[in-house]
Amino acid sequence: AQTVTQSQPEMSVQEAETVTLSCTYDTSENNYYLFWYKQPPSRQMILVIRQEAYKQQNATENRFSVNFQKAAKSFSLKISDSQLGDTAMYFCAFTSLDSGTYKYIFGTGTRLKVLA
Amino acid sequence: DVKVTQSSRYLVKRTGEKVFLECVQDMDHENMFWYRQDPGLGLRLIYFSYDVKMKEKGDIPEGYSVSREKKERFSLILESASTNQTSMYLCASSPPGLREYNEQFFGPGTRLTVL
Repeated sequence: AQTVTQSQPEMSVQEAETVTLSCTYDTSENNYYLFWYKQPPSRQMILVIRQEAYKQQNATENRFSVNFQKAAKSFSLKISDSQLGDTAMYFCAFTSLDSGTYKYIFGTGTRLKVLA
Repeated sequence: DVKVTQSSRYLVKRTGEKVFLECVQDMDHENMFWYRQDPGLGLRLIYFSYDVKMKEKGDIPEGYSVSREKKERFSLILESASTNQTSMYLCASSPPGLREYNEQFFGPGTRLTVL
């Protein structure tokens, strides 16, 4: 069975600094997708970044980038030049079509606080 | 902008009551989802639907049912609410195509308390 693990329940970072959130997963699938979602306090969850497992190149979206290590089954999120608006809960997620059954699995989340 | 709305932000019900949580999306998305979010457990998929009147069980369907009579609306039903169903419930939708690839668009959530 697929699992997604976020080992850092809480983190903090100074404004303008860089922070890395870790995510590991376990699967026997070859074709799958990985996501980072952001849930700001009292606001709706939104997609931050997406990675396709068959792509070697790490995805980037402005200040957000991932370090995707397929062999190690690791998918960390790097936030550069952290801003106060980055304060949120961050969820790593995995999706695949496992033997014809759709799977969408979230990690337990990392609560990030950006300090002024 | 995609908009996913949920009928209530906060809801308090009694044990044994039948509870309806409504979700509406305005972007003609085929796929809709219901999750529950609990501290330390992340989000867990309850049910999803990939078309009108179609539904699939997720990881934790026990104690829940769903209804999708119209494309834009996906309802979660707690037939007989219990205290262990106290949680935050999130609805999401996603466009057609490769379901595993697509971004999900989330509603604001309904915080349900069962007394």
